Formats: sequence, C-alpha cells, structure tokens
Amino acid sequence: EAGVAQSPRYKIIEKRQSVAFWCNPISGHATLYWYQQILGQGPKLLIQFQNNGVVDDSQLPKDRFSAERLKGVDSTLKIQPAKLEDSAVYLCASHLAGSGRSTDTQYFGPGTRLTVL
Amino acid sequence: KQEVTQIPAALSVPEGENLVLNCSFTDSAIYNLQWFRQDPGKGLTSLLLIQSSQREQTSGRLNASLDKSSGRSTLYIAASQPGDSATYLCAVPMIKAAGNKLTFGGGTRVLVKP
Repeated sequence: EAGVAQSPRYKIIEKRQSVAFWCNPISGHATLYWYQQILGQGPKLLIQFQNNGVVDDSQLPKDRFSAERLKGVDSTLKIQPAKLEDSAVYLCASHLAGSGRSTDTQYFGPGTRLTVL
Repeated sequence: KQEVTQIPAALSVPEGENLVLNCSFTDSAIYNLQWFRQDPGKGLTSLLLIQSSQREQTSGRLNASLDKSSGRSTLYIAASQPGDSATYLCAVPMIKAAGNKLTFGGGTRVLVKP
C-alpha cells in the first residue's frame, strides 16, 4: 500500500514570497490533515478535511494560509505572504474514517521542510 | 484545552539499557493515546495505540501503559539499540474535538550510544 506522498521535500524562500505544498493521501482515506511542526516541538494541527469539506481550521492563520482539497483526494496548502516564523516542517496525514473512536491511526507523509529567510 | 507534556525532552543511554519515556495529559476525556516515532527528516510512524479502556499495549520490545485517571502514559523500550535513536511523540484525540484531531506532546529525543 502506498503511503502519504508530499512534495516538495524542501523549500527555501524569502519572506513575503508565496509557497505551496502538495499532499496525496492514502487511497480511500476520507480524512486529511495538515500539521505544522516547528523545530523542537510536536506537530500542531492547521486544518482537517473530511472528504472535500473543512472539519476544523481553528488554528489556521487565515490571513496568510489557505488550503483546499479538490475532489476529496489531493490537497494543497498555500502560504502568502510567508513570514520568518513560518519556518517549519509541514506534515500531511490521512486517516481512513476520521473518527476519534477508530482503532486505526493517522498515517503521515515525510513532510516539507520550509525555510523562510 | 488539552495539554500534553513529555518529560524528559532528551535522553541518552548506553546500548542495552531499558528506556522509559513519560507522557502526561490534562484532560482525561480521550478516545485513545498514541505513541509515534520520528526520525530526522522523516514523517511520523505509529508505534502503539492504546484504547481508553485498555491499561497497556505491547509490540515486540515496546510496551505502553495508560492511566487515564492520573493523565499519564509511559512507553517502555526494552534492551535499547542504536537503531532506537529517534524522537518519540505521544498524542491524544479528544472526545470533545471534531474528527480525530490529535494533540501532541513536545517529544522526547532519544540517543542510544553503542
């Protein structure tokens, strides 16, 4: 079974520039998550999709971050304009059902490491 | 608001010693508790998932316990090996949160010296 795919793996940009990350979840997984992981910290949820609808985006800085999941499969996370504090690893994860009652876990991609100069 | 804490933040042990990693959480209204492993430059790999009704879960050299009433979980790794060097994260999905939203601890960075 193919895992969660993310691209690019690394990105270096200057502040105020724009950047986009792409995620392809495991086939058949209804739920997709984007997490931000700052160096030395645990991941923090940015946005959660159930199929192509948003379930939770309460911690997404909506003035600069946007995300979409067209057709309930792939997803794109965009930052515009980027700030220095956006330097982090952006992790995508998927889950079969999205219910907390599930005995299954979330499956994570390798992440995109963003450096903002 | 759920807060998850992991102590210590870093741990260094000689090969063969047992590892004990601690995780505490403030809100016991959880479905389960999960332990993940993260290697440098990689994503997270699930190690163990303990349901809220369980007291422990085992997989090979790994054993995780859960005490919901005290808000604690411990991950034991027996007879550590250099390949166990990684960051270990615990996470909980809350009953009150939508979907399977996970709240993570800050992680414990483990180094096993040959």
